[in-house]
Amino acid sequence: GNSVTQMEGPVTLSEEAFLTINCTYTATGYPSLFWYVQYPGEGLQLLLKATKADDKGSNKGFEATYRKETTSFHLEKGSVQVSDSAVYFCALSDSGEYGNKLVFGAGTILRVKS
Amino acid sequence: NAGVTQTPKFRILKIGQSMTLQCTQDMNHNYMYWYRQDPGMGLKLIYYSVGAGITDKGEVPNGYNVSRSTTEDFPLRLELAAPSQTSVYFCASSYNRGRGETQYFGPGTRLLVL
Repeated sequence: GNSVTQMEGPVTLSEEAFLTINCTYTATGYPSLFWYVQYPGEGLQLLLKATKADDKGSNKGFEATYRKETTSFHLEKGSVQVSDSAVYFCALSDSGEYGNKLVFGAGTILRVKS
Repeated sequence: NAGVTQTPKFRILKIGQSMTLQCTQDMNHNYMYWYRQDPGMGLKLIYYSVGAGITDKGEVPNGYNVSRSTTEDFPLRLELAAPSQTSVYFCASSYNRGRGETQYFGPGTRLLVL
């Protein structure tokens, strides 16, 4: 079946450091790929997405490129801020008859220190 | 728009009790989903729905029931609570099921079964 593997955390960085969170996937078809972010005490919200190979999703300084050859969708940001502290989830969508089923990775906690 | 709302925010249940988790969306979305999030794990799909009267099982449906009588509401029912159902429950919705469709999440319900 489909699955998503992302790097374990927590990841602790100083403000303005470079961020990479690795994500790889296994899928039988051709999925869409997502990064969702969960800030403390809140629900998940979409950070960025990509729907086909070599697409780059970007938002709020974060970027990720859909790499079909390496089945990866790594999240990057050039300079993190304290406000980026959150849990980041990589996910893929598996279209079922009754809706897009999202398959999530375990999540990576990011802590940014000032 | 309030988006996706969930009640209650937190609940403690005794083993064998039953309860209903409420979920409402005001975005006129056709598709709705229930996920559970266990500590250190990604979200897992419990049930989903394409519209009033149409639901289908996700990855972990055992011990739960759903109904969808209106577009706005998608309640999740636990009939005989068990400690294994201690988790955080998220409701989500999406307008369509197209490739790359974004799901919008509620703030979650934290359930503790003792």
